[in-house]
Amino acid sequence: EDQVTQSPEALRLQEGESSSLNCSYTVSGLRGLFWYRQDPGKGPEFLFTLYSAGEEKEKERLKATLTKKESFLHITAPKPEDSATYLCAVPGTTDSWGKLQFGAGTQVVVTP
Amino acid sequence: GAVVSQHPSRVICKSGTSVKIECRSLDFQATTMFWYRQFPKQSLMLMATSNEGSKATYEQGVEKDKFLINHASLTLSTLTVTSAHPEDSSFYICSAPSGGDEQYFGPGTRLTVT
Repeated sequence: EDQVTQSPEALRLQEGESSSLNCSYTVSGLRGLFWYRQDPGKGPEFLFTLYSAGEEKEKERLKATLTKKESFLHITAPKPEDSATYLCAVPGTTDSWGKLQFGAGTQVVVTP
Repeated sequence: GAVVSQHPSRVICKSGTSVKIECRSLDFQATTMFWYRQFPKQSLMLMATSNEGSKATYEQGVEKDKFLINHASLTLSTLTVTSAHPEDSSFYICSAPSGGDEQYFGPGTRLTVT
């Protein structure tokens, strides 16, 4: 059975303190992996799609990387506005990219 | 990115009544949309796939007669929770692809059944 596991569950950072979030997966024939950001009471906001091992994507203070077994989301010099829950997800079936299986998320709090 | 809206953002209803939630793609067309449910402190769980012009498909364990889905047009899908009960209280979120592989999510609808 496909599984997506995120760690840590929660992360408290000082402003400027860089860190990484982990998303490990056991999916046969991974077609892609998504990272989303979710603020409390809102829907997920798309961040990145990664398709193959070795691929990297960057956006502002965020950088996502992918290996054959896991993905990392690096937050460099975070600011309080980076506080959110970060979710990774994989497409669960071969016939649709929209049927996503999500990890439980990492709740990030960045304090000034 | 593409914009998906939902209405209402919050709804409170009495047990036994039905509630309709709308999901609209505002700047693109979507032949397929997806409905997710999120319970407090949990991640999103896929409920069903909404297909324009054909029946919705439901994930295992989701009651199709309780969660009625209608994909009325290329920009609108509706989810009706019939005979709602307190255990149906949750955060319902829809998503749609706008041409790429990624999904764009709506802002969610908080349903509370009293």
